[in-house]
Amino acid sequence: QQPVQSPQAVILREGEDAVINCSSSKALYSVHWYRQKHGEAPVFLMILLKGGEQKGHEKISASFNEKKQQSSLYLTASQLSYSGTYFCGTEFYGGATNKLIFGTGTLLAVQP
Amino acid sequence: DTEVTQTPKHLVMGMTNKKSLKCEQHMGHRAMYWYKQKAKKPPELMFVYSYEKLSINESVPSRFSPECPNSSLLNLHLHALQPEDSALYLCASSQPMRDEQFFGPGTRLTVL
Repeated sequence: QQPVQSPQAVILREGEDAVINCSSSKALYSVHWYRQKHGEAPVFLMILLKGGEQKGHEKISASFNEKKQQSSLYLTASQLSYSGTYFCGTEFYGGATNKLIFGTGTLLAVQP
Repeated sequence: DTEVTQTPKHLVMGMTNKKSLKCEQHMGHRAMYWYKQKAKKPPELMFVYSYEKLSINESVPSRFSPECPNSSLLNLHLHALQPEDSALYLCASSQPMRDEQFFGPGTRLTVL
């Protein structure tokens, strides 16, 4: 049930681009993306809903393929501040409240 | 106010102790969550409260007892924990469906 992310880790130079993928084996209500820096709480980046609606930070872009149950996060012109672990979260119907299951994580390191 | 607060920041307890973790938010969110996070792993959902009622329990051992006294507060009561329960415990809040989650800074728990 846990979504699988790829790659597990990636190292970039400042200004380079990266793509992080998230794949689920179950039908999804939505996909969330969060970034967690070491020793800190996860921070919301973006949510993609079935039907195409999106909400998130302007400098972050992502896609959601509902049929394939996959999402990708696109990081362009990376900055040092982008370093951290990226988690996708896939939202499943849980009754009165949907539940969010986090993916395996992708460690991103941006070097000068 | 877009902040979720958690107390204490750090907690060390013995296996026979009883302690409580506290979480508070004033964003008007009607869903609140407890997650457990081990080092280098994704947050793992424990409990979800929706409109102050427990809506999801992810088969968590009874030594963890959640409580939601009102729409702003969430507690996690701990009793007879095991060393393997040592982890970062994260609280989050959101609207109940398809909405971004705001995370608190977490309580780092060590069970001796």
